[in-house]
Amino acid sequence: DIQLTQSPSFLSASVGDRVTITCRASQDINSHLAWYQQKPGKAPKLLISAASTLQSGVPSRFSGGGSGTEFTLTISSLQPEDFAAYYCQHLNSYPPMYTFGQGTKLEIK
Amino acid sequence: QVHLQESGPGLVKPSQTLALTCTVSGGSISSVDQYWNWIRQPPGKALEWIGYIYYSGSTYYNPSLQSRATISVDTSKSQFSLKLTSVTAADTAVYYCARGVEMDTEYFDYWGQGTLVTVSS
Repeated sequence: DIQLTQSPSFLSASVGDRVTITCRASQDINSHLAWYQQKPGKAPKLLISAASTLQSGVPSRFSGGGSGTEFTLTISSLQPEDFAAYYCQHLNSYPPMYTFGQGTKLEIK
Repeated sequence: QVHLQESGPGLVKPSQTLALTCTVSGGSISSVDQYWNWIRQPPGKALEWIGYIYYSGSTYYNPSLQSRATISVDTSKSQFSLKLTSVTAADTAVYYCARGVEMDTEYFDYWGQGTLVTVSS
């Protein structure tokens, strides 16, 4: 099974900061990775698909990169509404098995 | 705009069966290349995929839950359901239903609001 490991698990930052979250896959997954944002008490929201494709309506300060086994989610200038948890996700083709990273909680410093 | 809504008991006794239903509106549950998923999140923990069903009835499950989970679909009602048997306190979680799609990659684009299920006597 493919495992996804996110780092860091917790991140404290200030409004205006640039932050990067990393997701490492235990095997090469090409660009088959998505990123989600989850605010307390809410369902996750899709931010990025195929490692770097920004979804419609997602602010351009969010960007994704990487391929193979190492991926990044970068927020170029943190806004108050960005403080949330972030998860990476992959689907193993066969047998079908969706995997999530353990999450990164982004908190206000 | 696709909308998903979970429903079911919020409290289940240990050893009993958890049963939830997800009602889909604003789109067809029978569309190709769409997969109807259950995902859960224990309090303060990460997301865990439970399984999915295709409109044809094909199912796949997380191996860790495969022996206890059953997902079914009723296309006439635009609903799909989850049953999880022999529950314990470890099954206490917010349960989400979500639509999975295959576009540039595979992801969940629409989610229900989630429903908290507590396992307790």
